[in-house]
Amino acid sequence: QKEVEQDPGPLSVPEGAIVSLNCTYSNSAFQYFMWYRQYSRKGPELLMYTYSSGNKEDGRFTAQVDKSSKYISLFIRDSQPSDSATYLCAMSLSGNTGKLIFGQGTTLQVKP
Amino acid sequence: SAVISQKPSRDICQRGTSLTIQCQVDSQVTMMFWYRQQPGQSLTLIATANQGSEATYESGFVIDKFPISRPNLTFSTLTVSNMSPEDSSIYLCSVELLSSYNEQFFGPGTRLTVL
Repeated sequence: QKEVEQDPGPLSVPEGAIVSLNCTYSNSAFQYFMWYRQYSRKGPELLMYTYSSGNKEDGRFTAQVDKSSKYISLFIRDSQPSDSATYLCAMSLSGNTGKLIFGQGTTLQVKP
Repeated sequence: SAVISQKPSRDICQRGTSLTIQCQVDSQVTMMFWYRQQPGQSLTLIATANQGSEATYESGFVIDKFPISRPNLTFSTLTVSNMSPEDSSIYLCSVELLSSYNEQFFGPGTRLTVL
């Protein structure tokens, strides 16, 4: 079993839809949770960073962490064709600076 | 964030040869890392590049295969040695900035194909 599970998709939605991307994990010691966006042939770009449980909002993006369920989510409101990319969740242990454990990534396509 | 550059951006190499990838950052960094992203797979940490000392390798990665240097705070190299087609992958460096604890920023990656 992988430490971090993420449905690879692809996920196809119409422009303007609300997108929900999710990851589950097995290690309850994870404390830091991130979402990266990766466009084709580019490096991952840090989108959201949260510590422990709770919600964090940044523009059209909302990240949620539910540590009791070992489940994290990224919501994208009013999705745009420019949001079409692969979204990677990542997490790390408290006090173990450096090593990120990534999910496989979900490919999202937003159709005009 | 910071500007992170990698050279080369891509290369096609013959089996048995070696390739050195460079990573340069324009900001003060605390930590530098090297990751591998195999086709259809997620990112896997190869090692932490330590300034002035040997890199710290993750399980499954060894120094003879992936020697790493970090001569100063903002520059590091990763060499992929004695390559085989299984080494075909994207290699990415990432950094933690002095100004952003535990947030990692990635370079554009080096796409390597081994024939």
